[in-house]
Amino acid sequence: QSALTQPPSASGSPGQSVTISCTGTSTDVDDYKYVSWYQQHPGKAPKLILYEVSKRPSGVPDRFSGSKSGDTASLTVSGLQPDDEADYYCSSYGGINRKLFGGGTRLTVL
Amino acid sequence: DVQLVESGGGLTKPGGSLKLSCAASGFKFGDYEMNWVRQAPGKGLEWISYISATDNRYYADSVKGRFIISRDNARNSLSLQMSSLRVEDTAVYFCAREGTMSTFDSWGQGTLVTVSS
Repeated sequence: QSALTQPPSASGSPGQSVTISCTGTSTDVDDYKYVSWYQQHPGKAPKLILYEVSKRPSGVPDRFSGSKSGDTASLTVSGLQPDDEADYYCSSYGGINRKLFGGGTRLTVL
Repeated sequence: DVQLVESGGGLTKPGGSLKLSCAASGFKFGDYEMNWVRQAPGKGLEWISYISATDNRYYADSVKGRFIISRDNARNSLSLQMSSLRVEDTAVYFCAREGTMSTFDSWGQGTLVTVSS
């Protein structure tokens, strides 16, 4: 059982928007602004796509956006493209010695 | 460009030991906190260990007392000494650079550790 809760799957058609949730607790997601999101294609290493809830690293398109409300963070992928099909993981700082991941969400582009 | 290259994975028996290495390049290694994250086959990501630039070390409960993280800033190298290995330690092990607090901003390609009798 993962520390952060994500839906196991999500889907959308090309051009549509999809939102993936990530629920933690009052001692991690709700308590800190340090939520990040990672994209992982099969057989590849994870890639950082959002950090500090909503900041994008250089090179990540603005189709990827993030938000947080209380103990739940969200990743929204707008204008879905075939290459967005991947596993997505959220992560949160939970205090010293606590770096938490969600169980992952498989995004399917229909 | 930032590059992290893991090595040292392989097949070992329960109770055995293995040492993983991560060679870093393209950035000032000594200035960064580093982590090990693993992924069991078909499963999600699990953080297992952290080392600060000043050698503070933390571990997930699942590996505490069995794994030791270390770094050699002169060689731009991160290591993970794993002992008393269990079947459930079977996973791909990634080294990951930490940017801002708990943000893993660069990852290696991973090295597979298989623990099986």
